[in-house]
Amino acid sequence: QQPVQSPQAVILREGEDAVINCSSSKALYSVHWYRQKHGEAPVFLMILLKGGEQKGHEKISASFNEKKQQSSLYLTASQLSYSGTYFCGTEYRGNTDKLIFGTGTRLQVFP
Amino acid sequence: DGGITQSPKYLFRKEGQNVTLSCEQNLNHDAMYWYRQDPGQGLRLIYYSQIVNDFQKGDIAEGYSVSREKKESFPLTVTSAQKNPTAFYLCASSVTAAGTGELFFGEGSRLTVL
Repeated sequence: QQPVQSPQAVILREGEDAVINCSSSKALYSVHWYRQKHGEAPVFLMILLKGGEQKGHEKISASFNEKKQQSSLYLTASQLSYSGTYFCGTEYRGNTDKLIFGTGTRLQVFP
Repeated sequence: DGGITQSPKYLFRKEGQNVTLSCEQNLNHDAMYWYRQDPGQGLRLIYYSQIVNDFQKGDIAEGYSVSREKKESFPLTVTSAQKNPTAFYLCASSVTAAGTGELFFGEGSRLTVL
């Protein structure tokens, strides 16, 4: 039931771009994105509610393709502060009272 | 400041002992959640509650119990029936129960079974 994230890990130099994908086998109502730094609580980035919707947060944006049941997180011109583990969380149609998280993508940005 | 407080931050217990993790929020949120985090497995939902005196099982509820006697409190008990309880436990809350809004997380409790 967990959504599948890919890749599992990404290593970047500052200024490089990355894409993190999240896909589900079940029909989605919404997709959430969170970032967790080591030893800290996850922090909310954004929610995508509609098919094809895109949102932005600093230089981080995301898309949600409802038909394909997937979402992608785009990190452009990465900064050192972007390092952490990114999780997508999904709400399924007909069961929107809980959030199911993916296994996470670990992102490391080096100078 | 409003937020979610989890305690204790670190906890050690012997096999066969029950332990209760505390979660308190002063955000006036209706919904509260417990997640377990293990390396490589992400966050897995244990229990959630949308309203006082009501809660539902998540994906991995076996060996755990909860209560929701007050809106601001959602303690989790890890019982001796939980086969592999060593993990990082995160409590979260959201404004509404009718569809999940943004989740606000506590700092977590790390449980180690000796």
